[in-house]
Amino acid sequence: GAVVSQHPSRVICKSGTSVKIECRSLDFQATTMFWYRQFPKQSLMLMATSNEGSKATYEQGVEKDKFLINHASLTLSTLTVTSAHPEDSSFYICSASQPLDGGEKLFFGSGTQLSVL
Amino acid sequence: AQSVTQLGSHVSVSEGALVLLRCNYSSSVPPYLFWYVQYPNQGLQLLLKYTTGATLVKGINGFEAEFKKSETSFHLTKPSAHMSDAAEYFCAVSDPGNTPLVFGKGTRLSVIA
Repeated sequence: GAVVSQHPSRVICKSGTSVKIECRSLDFQATTMFWYRQFPKQSLMLMATSNEGSKATYEQGVEKDKFLINHASLTLSTLTVTSAHPEDSSFYICSASQPLDGGEKLFFGSGTQLSVL
Repeated sequence: AQSVTQLGSHVSVSEGALVLLRCNYSSSVPPYLFWYVQYPNQGLQLLLKYTTGATLVKGINGFEAEFKKSETSFHLTKPSAHMSDAAEYFCAVSDPGNTPLVFGKGTRLSVIA
């Protein structure tokens, strides 16, 4: 079945550095990918919607200059956390939408746990 | 706007007992409804989903959920809990079409031996 690969699964970085997270749809073309952030003991929060070939749509309160999203192809979207700080430590999850007749099918990446020291 | 309410942030059951995790939603259009499970240090895994058709949906690991439009509910059940069911469970809703999921806050299930 369809698979969404998210890499890396875990990253530890120093404060002030940038971290890139990749989300790939392995056997389908995803015109839309979503990036979520999950806070400890809380649900996922949608950060942005990424459409191939266009600028991402960010949710209210999400800093677009800090969380750079690129969706350069139908199978790859990247999230770059720029100048990361400890408060950015979180679990980030991507999902990809595969259009199907009469609807859609959503697939999730396995998530990236970011720890900023 | 859609929303999901999961009653009970933490549910504890004995091994072999019935599991019931509650989910109520609000949506202006017929929704798609999902249950996801998250095991520690892992990503979300889809348990089951309702899109159209039969309102009783069976998923993996013996779980099932019933879509009740009149009650705007999509409760998750399992007849007999197993220790391996201990995890965080998320209910989610979306519009038909290319929209992101709206998740509930999750319910942590503990299974007591």
